[in-house]
Order: sequence, then C-alpha cells, then structure tokens
Amino acid sequence: GQSLEQPSEVTAVEGAIVQINCTYQTSGFYGLSWYQQHDGGAPTFLSYNALDGLEETGRFSSFLSRSDSYGYLLLQELQMKDSASYFCAGHNFNKFYFGSGTKLNVKP
Amino acid sequence: EAGVVQSPRYKIIEKKQPVAFWCNPISGHNTLYWYLQNLGQGPELLIRYENEEAVDDSQLPKDRFSAERLKGVDSTLKIQPAELGDSAVYLCASSLSTEEETQYFGPGTRLLVL
Repeated sequence: GQSLEQPSEVTAVEGAIVQINCTYQTSGFYGLSWYQQHDGGAPTFLSYNALDGLEETGRFSSFLSRSDSYGYLLLQELQMKDSASYFCAGHNFNKFYFGSGTKLNVKP
Repeated sequence: EAGVVQSPRYKIIEKKQPVAFWCNPISGHNTLYWYLQNLGQGPELLIRYENEEAVDDSQLPKDRFSAERLKGVDSTLKIQPAELGDSAVYLCASSLSTEEETQYFGPGTRLLVL
C-alpha cells in the first residue's frame, strides 16, 4: 500500500522559517511533490523532487531522501499569506497519493 | 491561459438524487484526474483519463459513480444515487501527460448531500 504521513498542524510567526516533514511508504516510488491549498481553494503545485537533495524555488525549498523515505518542505521568511494547508504527494507508477495535509498557521 | 474549469462550484441535493459534475481541463492536457477531498484530508484519486481512455478507475465506486470523457477533452463525473457520505469536494485536475509531475487543479465542486 501507499501512505504518506505529515503533521496535522504547525504554527509559526511571520518572518520565521518552518519545516513540514513527510514520511512515506510506497513501492516503485518515483518522486515527491508538494502542493499548497488555501481554504476553499484549489491545490497548487509548489515543487517536485525526483532525486535526493534540495530543490530551491524562491522562499520555498523541498528536500528528498529516498534511503530514509523522507522529505520536507522548507518555507523561509514566512508571510501571512503562507497560511494554508500543505500536502506531500507520492508519485508512483503514474499515480499520485496525497498525504492528509499539514495546516500551517502563520501568526503576526 | 485559462485554468481548469469546473461547474457547478456548489451543489446541494437530497440523498438518493443524482448529481453530475463537469470539468474542462487546460487546453492540450491529455491527462485528466478526478479526486475526492474530504474535510481535513488530502485528495483521493477516483479516476484518471489518458485522452478518452480511463486508465485507472480502481478507486471509483462503480455501483454509484460513473465518469466519461468522450472526446478526450472535457469530462463529467456522475453519482447516482447520492448518499450522505458523498458530501465532499470533488476536484478535477489535468496535466500535459501522465509523465508530467505537475497537476493543475480546478476550484472543485463542493457537494452537500442532505
């Protein structure tokens, strides 16, 4: 089976750095994606890691370690608009399995 | 470029009634996905199309759910009859191809079954 686990909720202050972890159990695993979803909105793609290591896109970075079945999303210089749910998704044989999401609360 | 379009945005029906959702993917996107998202959960795949072919419908409850993508462009997802437990957000997403890791999601249809 496929499962991705992430914390249900994280709180951080504006300007800080926050890391959202994702551990997974998948077979034939290709890579790990991250999506952002604001309340009532559509999930939007943030990043994808096919290889081990860090991928950086502006204030957001994503990391993957296949040997540890682990990845994380790093958000720097947090802004109020970053308050949203963040989902990791495992890419497996052209299927996508989403974690249950981490709700990020950014406080002033 | 227009994004993924879904309609209706909201639907309230009584149990045992039929309901249909419509999705128009981004132009040129061959792969289309229907997901179900319950409150506080991640999207769960219902069905995936490659052009007009349903290549993965293993998670679709076929006793009451059906879907079609006749011309390989827009798609319809139907529930008949609806049950209370079907209340959720139904998301449509598309990608250039199955190999493309980026999926573009529509705003979803929020269904409430009373």
